Amino acid sequence: DGGITQSPKYLFRKEGQNVTLSCEQNLNHDAMYWYRQDPGQGLRLIYYSQIVNDFQKGDIAEGYSVSREKKESFPLTVTSAQKNPTAFYLCASSTFRAGGTYNEQFFGPGTRLTVL
Amino acid sequence: EDQVTQSPEALRLQEGESSSLNCSYTVSGLRGLFWYRQDPGKGPEFLFTLYSAGEEKEKERLKATLTKKESFLHITAPKPEDSATYLCAVLRNYGGSQGNLIFGKGTKLSVKP
Repeated sequence: DGGITQSPKYLFRKEGQNVTLSCEQNLNHDAMYWYRQDPGQGLRLIYYSQIVNDFQKGDIAEGYSVSREKKESFPLTVTSAQKNPTAFYLCASSTFRAGGTYNEQFFGPGTRLTVL
Repeated sequence: EDQVTQSPEALRLQEGESSSLNCSYTVSGLRGLFWYRQDPGKGPEFLFTLYSAGEEKEKERLKATLTKKESFLHITAPKPEDSATYLCAVLRNYGGSQGNLIFGKGTKLSVKP
């Protein structure tokens, strides 16, 4: 089945530690995205990547880092510089659409990160 | 500034009681509007894409419509399994890319039997 997988589902981290969240897709999508979701707020864009070996900062990139070495994979590292990392993290992917725009984004199941 | 506002924040319906959810947006040149359903603790599930004013899409008890300033998600004769948070998102021009979405905060729908 085609889709997006994220792991782990739950992640606990001590303050001062870096953690990496995994995101893999087998949809052959060019673009991939990372969002953060907090209670009472809309999804906020952290990073996005439109092609391999290239990525761009989103609205709230401070304290996060990403890589895009393969088309299928877009891991997110939450560094110790992120001051409030406890949140629900969502990965998504999409394809180009004729006319220079994009089709709908499909989402993974999410990773809930808790900092202890 | 690009913005998406959803109303109401929460909606309680009786089973069979039809209603509508609203999504108003301010973006410079609409390139696409998307509706998603999200269940607690899960990722959003894609429902509809609308690209131009006047466009309508239907799926079971749901119907999405689009005008130049807002979109409506109409729910006809809802069932308890329709209970979820419904998210609206709009494509925006961000950082030279036209593929990024800006999301509303969602409408939490509860349908009582």
